[in-house]
Amino acid sequence: GDSVTQMEGPVTLSEEAFLTINCTYTATGYPSLFWYVQYPGEGLQLLLKATKADDKGSNKGFEATYRKETTSFHLEKGSVQVSDSAVYFCALSDMDTGRRALTFGSGTRLQVQP
Amino acid sequence: DAGVIQSPRHEVTEMGQEVTLRCKPISGHDYLFWYRQTMMRGLELLIYFNNNVPIDDSGMPEDRFSAKMPNASFSTLKIQPSEPRDSAVYFCATLRGLGEQFFGPGTRLTVL
Repeated sequence: GDSVTQMEGPVTLSEEAFLTINCTYTATGYPSLFWYVQYPGEGLQLLLKATKADDKGSNKGFEATYRKETTSFHLEKGSVQVSDSAVYFCALSDMDTGRRALTFGSGTRLQVQP
Repeated sequence: DAGVIQSPRHEVTEMGQEVTLRCKPISGHDYLFWYRQTMMRGLELLIYFNNNVPIDDSGMPEDRFSAKMPNASFSTLKIQPSEPRDSAVYFCATLRGLGEQFFGPGTRLTVL
């Protein structure tokens, strides 16, 4: 079945540091890939997405590129802020099968210190 | 739009009691999903509906769990009888067509 693997957290950075959160996936079809963010006490919000190989999703300074050859979708940000502290989830949806449900990674907690 | 609405936000109950979680989707969204989040298992799909019809319930843990969507504006997830291992945050999410999934704020369930 489909699966998503992302790096263990927590990741602790100082403000303005560079962020990378690794994500790799296994899928039977040709999935769409997503990053969701969860702030404390809230539901998940879509951060960015990519639907085909070499697509780059971007939002709020975050970027991730769909790499089919390495089955990866790593999240990056050039300069993090304290307000970026949250849990980040990599996820996929296998549109080839018509399945709309998301398969999530385990989540990575990011803590940004002033 | 008010977004996906879930109630209650917090529920504390005793083992053996019936628990009902509720979800009101965003108007016009034709897919509705129930997910459960725990420390041990992360985020996992329980069941999802398309146009009020259950499509995939393979994630429902056991017969104690049931979900219904009687109309396009309402869904329930029921646990009867509840057990301490059911303690988790339950999320409802909805989407329209090929769009993104919008998540509700979740219901934090504690079973004592």
